[in-house]
Amino acid sequence: QVQLQESGPGLVKPSETLSLSCTVSGGSINNYYWSWIRQPPGKGLEWIAYVHYTGGTNYNPSLKSRVTISVDTAKNQFSLKVSAVTAADTAMYYCARFNITGIKGGRFFDYWGQGTLVTVSS
Amino acid sequence: DIQMTQSPSSLSASVGDRVTITCRASQTISNYLNWYQQKPGKAPKLLIYAASTLQAGVPSRFNGSGSGTEFTLTITSLTPEDFAIYFCQQSYSTPKLTFGGGTNVEI
Repeated sequence: QVQLQESGPGLVKPSETLSLSCTVSGGSINNYYWSWIRQPPGKGLEWIAYVHYTGGTNYNPSLKSRVTISVDTAKNQFSLKVSAVTAADTAMYYCARFNITGIKGGRFFDYWGQGTLVTVSS
Repeated sequence: DIQMTQSPSSLSASVGDRVTITCRASQTISNYLNWYQQKPGKAPKLLIYAASTLQAGVPSRFNGSGSGTEFTLTITSLTPEDFAIYFCQQSYSTPKLTFGGGTNVEI
């Protein structure tokens, strides 16, 4: 059973860089896409970015200028950096596997981490 | 961007009720539509993908249908563990994946 676990600071100061990692266990990071999704308290879900195990990336255009996603296959991990954070970046951050199957319509987030709450505050 | 609009935003129901949630896309997305369930303090859980395919291990009382721009999630007979928030998500436009605003199913 694939499991994902987020890690990183729970508190980040405004204007600084938020850095999170996601460790994949119970399966290989190879052959899949991996993603970050966030959810502000009491609000809906926002997709941030995804990365292929080969390093190819895709970003939400509304966040692209501040976000970097990367993968480390040797560690079975992938990471997220969000620069110049503000209070609007306060959210639960989830890592997830973005499974792109060969069937029509078959692109979905099938495994999720438990989430890590990041608060932006001085 | 493809906007996903869910209705209703919340609903009250009882155990045993049939519940239907609608998700509309701002443009056609074929069958690239997924449904997730989220319980308080937990990560979302995939219920249905490709509009109507039940994810492994999900009870058969969950049913998804639709294509193009209009989709529905139906819970045929609500059980106590089904009280949660439900989100739809389109994966047609991979430059920007988007979620609906959520439907809170409460007692």
